[in-house]
Amino acid sequence: GAGVSQSPRYKVAKRGQDVALRCDPISGHVSLFWYQQALGQGPEFLTYFQNEAQLDKSGLPSDRFFAERPEGSVSTLKIQRTQQEDSAVYLCASSLGRVPLNTEAFFGQGTRLTVV
Amino acid sequence: AQSVSQHNHHVILSEAASLELGCNYSYGGTVNLFWYVQYPGQHLQLLLKYFSGDPLVKGIKGFEAEFIKSKFSFNLRKPSVQWSDTAEYFCAVRPRLTGGGNKLTFGTGTQLKVEL
Repeated sequence: GAGVSQSPRYKVAKRGQDVALRCDPISGHVSLFWYQQALGQGPEFLTYFQNEAQLDKSGLPSDRFFAERPEGSVSTLKIQRTQQEDSAVYLCASSLGRVPLNTEAFFGQGTRLTVV
Repeated sequence: AQSVSQHNHHVILSEAASLELGCNYSYGGTVNLFWYVQYPGQHLQLLLKYFSGDPLVKGIKGFEAEFIKSKFSFNLRKPSVQWSDTAEYFCAVRPRLTGGGNKLTFGTGTQLKVEL
């Protein structure tokens, strides 16, 4: 597709359930980012991949959060034993280059996770 | 670590009014600056960006922003807003690092409502 695609668009999970969120970046984009956007807040960085390598995971809030991009394209964000505070919109973004200069990030529509 | 402040959380304007949304950042080094817009029900879209050169940058839909380095500011402006500009606007900063770390740091966003 032409843009970043995320699935599912909406996910309701019972507290304690594991969830997996998928991101299909723009074809050929080297860099992939995950962000978390709580209600009324701006997106906050979770983790960054350059191809299949996870170069920065400093934003993951706990060890219940895990992300992977095994073949350097599709990425999955997994949250184990979900808690109510995990309720948020999870955004995926991709960009063309590996260097930070002169590249912009394109965002998907996000997955809205609600933990009940 | 970098941070971004957007001082206006909610702005209500009449059509044809002029718009200025404030954005200040804190970071000691060189940065790239962005404004993203999120229309209701849609994904984040890039409005404009500053990487280097002319500090007055023009974006889509008649928006512009001016980078004032001495004030660490990147305010967004539009001379005459339209009802279709109703959306949430996010300012973001990215350090220009050669070793990676090219994550975006967002402000909390400004909800703009344009009334007919």
